[in-house]
Amino acid sequence: AQTVTQSQPEMSVQEAETVTLSCTYDTSESDYYLFWYKQPPSRQMILVIRQEAYKQQNATENRFSVNFQKAAKSFSLKISDSQLGDAAMYFCAYRALPTGTASKLTFGTGTRLQVTL
Amino acid sequence: DSGVTQTPKHLITATGQRVTLRCSPRSGDLSVYWYQQSLDQGLQFLIHYYNGEERAKGNILERFSAQQFPDLHSELNLSSLELGDSALYFCASSTYPGNSPLHFGNGTRLTVT
Repeated sequence: AQTVTQSQPEMSVQEAETVTLSCTYDTSESDYYLFWYKQPPSRQMILVIRQEAYKQQNATENRFSVNFQKAAKSFSLKISDSQLGDAAMYFCAYRALPTGTASKLTFGTGTRLQVTL
Repeated sequence: DSGVTQTPKHLITATGQRVTLRCSPRSGDLSVYWYQQSLDQGLQFLIHYYNGEERAKGNILERFSAQQFPDLHSELNLSSLELGDSALYFCASSTYPGNSPLHFGNGTRLTVT
């Protein structure tokens, strides 16, 4: 079974600084998808960024970027120029290549990010 | 707005009771997933339906059941409720192929007293 590990329960960053959240996963598959979701205090689940395992290029979405290391099974999220609105719980998630129909997401336990002035 | 609608937003009930949570997926999405998030925990996968058929089960209790109807909305039924069932229940939907992300509803917060 696939597992996702987020080893940092809490992180803190000053406004305008850069922070990196770690994620590792375990799979025997060669093709899959990885995601970062953000859960603010409102408890909504908001997609931040996605990465296809077959793509070597790291995904980027505005201030958010990933460092995808396939051999190391590592998928970290970098937030640049941190803003107060970035304060949230961040979940890393893995999705296997679907066979016939779309497959579920497996989530890590989350990293709570605090942004300070 | 994700396009996924969950009702009700909040539900307070007593132990031993039965409740039904409802989910309407995004227009065009055939897959519906249910997740449970207990206080300050990650999201635990419960069950996945695709176009009316059950496709995968996670750690779903026997007291819980779900179905997806011909109009693609889904219901999660929780019975013989216990205090430990108090949680945020999310519904998510997606299209095929699998690199499309899951789009989550705002969740139903269930409190069992």
